[in-house]
Amino acid sequence: KAGVTQTPRYLIKTRGQQVTLSCSPISGHRSVSWYQQTPGQGLQFLFEYFSETQRNKGNFPGRFSGRQFSNSRSEMNVSTLELGDSALYLCASNTGGGTEQFFGPGTRLTVL
Amino acid sequence: EDQVTQSPEALRLQEGESSSLNCSYTVSGLRGLFWYRQDPGKGPEFLFTLYSAGEEKEKERLKATLTKKESFLHITAPKPEDSATYLCAVQKTDKLIFGTGTRLQVFP
Repeated sequence: KAGVTQTPRYLIKTRGQQVTLSCSPISGHRSVSWYQQTPGQGLQFLFEYFSETQRNKGNFPGRFSGRQFSNSRSEMNVSTLELGDSALYLCASNTGGGTEQFFGPGTRLTVL
Repeated sequence: EDQVTQSPEALRLQEGESSSLNCSYTVSGLRGLFWYRQDPGKGPEFLFTLYSAGEEKEKERLKATLTKKESFLHITAPKPEDSATYLCAVQKTDKLIFGTGTRLQVFP
């Protein structure tokens, strides 16, 4: 069974730009969660989607948004990038029943 | 406030030297506690799920235990390939609250 895939793996942007990250969950998984990982803050929850609906949201500004498609694939968008948005963005999927989450390899975003 | 604290932040062990990592939590509405392993530049890899106090899970040289307020990850006779950051996470509703991890180095 293929794991969670994320594209692109690396991204370099400049301040003020916007970026879209993509996540394909494990086949059969309907829940997709997004996390931001930085050396100072560790892993922080961004939001979770289940059946195309956002079910949970973390404490991030509105510049961070996401969506989920009917095939469970998810995208995350960050607008008006700031230097502090540089991080590893991780996507995780599960069946949606509160079971363990399986993570993708992440997208390393660098904002210059 | 919901909080997950891991200790120590870093641990250096000689190959074969057993030790334990600690994860303490103050989270209301706990639905499960998870241990992950993360190698540099990669996503976390799932290790264990624990749901109730007294529960134990084992996998190769690792054993995870859970009490009402903390969990331990015991590493028996570690090898250099066990070097990684070990993350503890507590599930609340459908989100995970992570600790900052313990960076483990095992040298020959």
